[in-house]
Amino acid sequence: GEDVEQSLFLSVREGDSSVINCTYTDSSSTYLYWYKQEPGAGLQLLTYIFSNMDMKQDQRLTVLLNKKDKHLSLRIADTQTGDSAIYFCAGGKTSYDKVIFGPGTSLSVIP
Amino acid sequence: DAGVTQSPTHLIKTRGQHVTLRCSPISGHKSVSWYQQVLGQGPQFIFQYYEKEERGRGNFPDRFSARQFPNYSSELNVNALLLGDSALYLCASSPAGGKEETQYFGPGTRLLVL
Repeated sequence: GEDVEQSLFLSVREGDSSVINCTYTDSSSTYLYWYKQEPGAGLQLLTYIFSNMDMKQDQRLTVLLNKKDKHLSLRIADTQTGDSAIYFCAGGKTSYDKVIFGPGTSLSVIP
Repeated sequence: DAGVTQSPTHLIKTRGQHVTLRCSPISGHKSVSWYQQVLGQGPQFIFQYYEKEERGRGNFPDRFSARQFPNYSSELNVNALLLGDSALYLCASSPAGGKEETQYFGPGTRLLVL
């Protein structure tokens, strides 16, 4: 079946690193995404990784993929108050196929 | 370049009514998908359309229907609205093929059913 799981809440201090974890069940997911959603807003694509990659770094964001364990993580370095939002892990088989989303992790950054 | 646009931004309806939501994809994108996001949950896939044909359908009742027009814009229709249909409805577009890597989401239409 298709399922994506995430922890629901994470709280970090400003300046620390945040690590948001995700597990997925569908091994045919080729595209693995991280989306950010601020209160009352739509979805913002933060980054993505292909299933044949282990790691991707994009400025303060680092994505790690353990395909064997079907585990994906998002690390945000030097977390800022503006990073407070809900972060969704998601997967899809192709770039245009349906995207299966996790329940979202609410990140709170304490000043 | 304009991103994915959706209209209206907000909508209030009563139970039993019908609603039509609209989406304009990014220029050149031929695939449009619809998602429902209930408060506190992740988005759930409703439909995907490509070149005016339905390519995928999620686990939603027949009260939900959609179509795609020759200019690739799309409408989502929901009949006989229920309180549980209150949600943020998101549209996403994709070139569907080629080198592009992802779908791009619009800001959503927030529907409240009273």
